[in-house]
Formats: sequence, C-alpha cells, structure tokens
Amino acid sequence: GENVGLHLPTLSVQEGDNSIINCAYSNSASDYFIWYKQESGKGPQFIIDIRSNMDKRQGQRVTVLLNKTVKHLSLQIAATQPGDSAVYFCAENMGNTGFQKLVFGTGTRLLVSP
Amino acid sequence: DTGVSQNPRHKITKRGQNVTFRCDPISEHNRLYWYRQTLGQGPEFLTYFQNEAQLEKSRLLSDRFSAERPKGSFSTLEIQRTEQGDSAMYLCASSLSFNEQYFGPGTRLTVT
Repeated sequence: GENVGLHLPTLSVQEGDNSIINCAYSNSASDYFIWYKQESGKGPQFIIDIRSNMDKRQGQRVTVLLNKTVKHLSLQIAATQPGDSAVYFCAENMGNTGFQKLVFGTGTRLLVSP
Repeated sequence: DTGVSQNPRHKITKRGQNVTFRCDPISEHNRLYWYRQTLGQGPEFLTYFQNEAQLEKSRLLSDRFSAERPKGSFSTLEIQRTEQGDSAMYLCASSLSFNEQYFGPGTRLTVT
C-alpha cells in the first residue's frame, strides 16, 4: 500500500480511548478549516470542517476546536477504534473570496491498538 | 459509486515521456482541484477549475504541466517531458461551490 506519512508525528492510543490531534495553522486571515483522514493507498477523506466564526463544531464521534488567538486547531476523536488508524491532516483555506485553496499541514499518524 | 474517480491508479513512465491523467468529479460538482502529494507530506495545491475555466494555478505547476476541463465535467492533467522529481501521487478533488472538497483515490506516478 501507500506509505503515507513515513516520518510523521505519531499518536498511539488504545481502542476506546479518546484521541486529540493538534495542528498549528499559519495564516490569521484563514476563514475555513478542514480535517481530513488518509488511509494508506487512498485519497484524503473529509471528516469535519469549521469556519472562523465558530470555535467548536461537533460531528459523529469527532469534535473540532478552533483557537484563533494562538492559531491552533484540534481534532478530538471519542472512543477511538482500530478503523480510525490513519494519517490525519488539517487544512486551512488560503484562497480569496469564493475560492478554496487548501494548504495542508504535515499530518499526524494515529495508531490504534486493539 | 458516485465519488471522484481517477485513472489510471498507477503509472510508471520513463524520464522524458509524456503522461496524462484523468479525473471524473462528482457529477453535480462545479469546482475541480488538482493536488500533488509526495511521501510524508500533505497534498499541495496545483490548480483549480470552476466549470470549464481554469481560475488559479500554483507556481508548482511548471510549463511542463497543463490541465484542462473542456466541458466542465472531467478534467485531464498532462505532464510533458517527465522528470524524476515528478514522481508523486496526483490527487483530484471536487466540490459544489464553496463547500468541502471530496478527493479521489489519486494516480501514483513513478518516473524511472
């Protein structure tokens, strides 16, 4: 399969634990942020997004927190499962009005042990 | 399957050859994006189409790269005179206006 993220930061958790993946973004003017999950050999899969006028958004088992003061984004995964093992990327929109130009972070590998 | 599809999934070519990749977006999506991803890195933006118009190109897209979306549906990305540094995963994504981008499985290019 695809060796996505050979030398990425790695978070190892046990099945059932909560996971928190962090991301620092660069542009204080970015207005839209997305978390993607990428499994080996596959394209990135949309998980959850958040706009800059919000500081928290919840999905199914996932929560994204946005701290604009320190330009920090986090993804919380509740009750982590082995199927959550993947590389997780945050992305910020650096495009102009009406156009998404996503800039991706370096990614974090999540390893979930049964 | 109504997701984004890309063909071929893998391409091995010799340095100096031309290659062309195809992306079929989700049918109602008017926006299409190309990205490149190298090992250990996140995807890097290459270019963007709104319908058939190419509205943005990255500086990463050298003169050897060209992309088209002739009828506002599928898109092609061509690389001329390939170099070893072109070896990467080429990802296509589509979206409906200013909404989340959905990615295809990518085309893995290896230049020998």
